Amino acid sequence: GENVEQHPSTLSVQEGDSAVIKCTYSDSASNYFPWYKQELGKRPQLIIDIRSNVGEKKDQRIAVTLNKTAKHFSLHITETQPEDSAVYFCVFVGRGKLIFGQGTELSVKP
Amino acid sequence: NAGVTQTPKFRVLKTGQSMTLLCAQDMNHEYMYWYRQDPGMGLRLIHYSVGEGTTAKGEVPDGYNVSRLKKQNFLLGLESAAPSQTSVYFCASSYFTDSGANVLTFGAGSRLTVL
Repeated sequence: GENVEQHPSTLSVQEGDSAVIKCTYSDSASNYFPWYKQELGKRPQLIIDIRSNVGEKKDQRIAVTLNKTAKHFSLHITETQPEDSAVYFCVFVGRGKLIFGQGTELSVKP
Repeated sequence: NAGVTQTPKFRVLKTGQSMTLLCAQDMNHEYMYWYRQDPGMGLRLIHYSVGEGTTAKGEVPDGYNVSRLKKQNFLLGLESAAPSQTSVYFCASSYFTDSGANVLTFGAGSRLTVL
């Protein structure tokens, strides 16, 4: 069925370090894999996404990689900055519904 | 262009009372969603709609009903509120791009407290 597991639930890094968040899914029918960022007290917003015909996509300091065989996709943030502190969600998109992962609370310490 | 508007923003209910949350979007999106967000639980899908006149159950539909009589509006109803329904509720709408992406636009959220 449609299920997505996200790890880790919390992540603390020093400013300038890299952060990696991973999601695994069970339904191979999805072809679209987005990541959302939610700052404290605000609504979630799309930060990057990838289609299944692409293995990696970059946008400045963030990148997403997809391994369809292993059914997992990951968010990579390089040169982290304090403003990257937020909760990040991967999303499983299938059959009209969008299911959010459990979220990763990223804390970037200056 | 207001995007997605939720009303009310805050509400306090007593157990057993009923209420309706209204979500309105002015982007002509086909898809609309209701999520609830609890501390440490992420966003859980309550109900969703793939077009006017259609609704479907999400991950946690029990205790809620929805209606999509007009394309721009998606209503979430609580018939008999329970303390377990204390949460922040987010409405979202979306469209499919030509490349197959499904991009969500969220409302600002509605904080509901059930005493």
